[in-house]
Order: sequence, then structure tokens, then C-alpha cells
Amino acid sequence: EVQLVQSGAEVKKPGESLRISCKGSGYSFTSYWITWVRQMPGKGLEWMGRIDPSDSYTNYSPSFQGHVTISADKSITTAYLQWSSLKASDTAMYYCATDSSSSHESHYWGQGTLVTVSS
Amino acid sequence: SYELTQPPSVSVSPGQTASITCSGDKLGDKYACWYQQKPGQSPVLVIYEDNKRPSGSPERFSGSNSGNTATLTISGTQAMDEADYYCQAWDSSTGGVFGGGTKLTVL
Repeated sequence: EVQLVQSGAEVKKPGESLRISCKGSGYSFTSYWITWVRQMPGKGLEWMGRIDPSDSYTNYSPSFQGHVTISADKSITTAYLQWSSLKASDTAMYYCATDSSSSHESHYWGQGTLVTVSS
Repeated sequence: SYELTQPPSVSVSPGQTASITCSGDKLGDKYACWYQQKPGQSPVLVIYEDNKRPSGSPERFSGSNSGNTATLTISGTQAMDEADYYCQAWDSSTGGVFGGGTKLTVL
């Protein structure tokens, strides 16, 4: 069974750094890209970017390029999303999901990580 | 940047057919997929590659994509289908793009 298990909820202050994780299991981790999706409170889904775990090649949405960093460690089948300096506007639910790489749909999703940034 | 447009809301009576549209420039030249999201839950893929159903997606869900519009159709809509629905496509310069989402109400 394919599973993506994300790290737990975080509460941070503006300016702090953060890294959240997404651990894949039940499949060959390098077979699918991993995508990150943001959902702000009461809002829709936003595609942030994706990574190929086999070589750590990344694509970013222009809206998120330079604001976040996506990385992966295939040895521990884990992908990461990180911020160097959080803002209150980063408060959101963040999902990781697999990317089919051919037609780019996401068959498998993590449970989400809620990030709250507040002073 | 590439954009996908969905109606904010659609209403349907139980047992009737619901149609949710997704519009984008030459969307028919790309693959479209659809996700269902219920409150407090992660999205679930219900249609991919325009009209394919993943395992576990009920047969009442179907999709089409032509011209500038992709459509998700739910036949014999049930109360359990009440949810938010999002279309998604891939653009070579923007990456993954989601529509704004449609709230389906079954009443």
C-alpha cells in the first residue's frame, strides 16, 4: 500500500525557519515525483513545486520560486519543504502528493501538515 | 501564467446529474484531472487523463476534455458526493495548475 506520511503540525513565529517532511512507503520512492500543494485557510489548492527523488531535480511554480525549497533524501524515502524566514501569510495546510510524471496527476496524498505562523 | 476557471458553486438534486466545468486556453490539448476534497480531508483523485477513473473512484464519475473546457460529470449524484472539486492541468511554463474549486451541494 502506497503511503505518504507527513510530519506533525507546527506553530512558528515570523522570521523563523522551518522544514516539514513527507515519508513515502509501500512503493519505489524514486518511481514518482513528489509534489507539494498549499491550501490556505478556507481557500483552494495551489501547486507549489515538485521534485524527482531519483536525482533531486526540481520544478517550482513561479509564485513560489525563491520563497520555499523542496528537497529529498532517497536513502530515507523522504521529501522536504522548507522556509528560511516564515511570514504570517505562510499559514496554511501543506500537502505532499505523488506525481505521475507523465500526465502529472496525483494518485496518492499525504494527510497534510498544518503550519501556523503567528507572533 | 496559465489559469483554469471553475464555477464557485454547483447545486444538484439527489439522483440527478451534476456537471462541473473547468476552462482554460486550449485545455483540450492538455490532460485534465479532477480531485474531490471533503472538509478536513486530503484531496482524492476521481478522474485522470481526461476520462480515466482510478481504482476506487465510483463509476458514476466521468470526465471529458475538448477545446477550452474539461467537464466532470457525476451521474446519479449521491449525498456523499457533496464536496469541493478541483480540476488540474499541467502547463510547460507554469507547472501544475489548479482551478479555483467548485463547491458541489446536493439538496
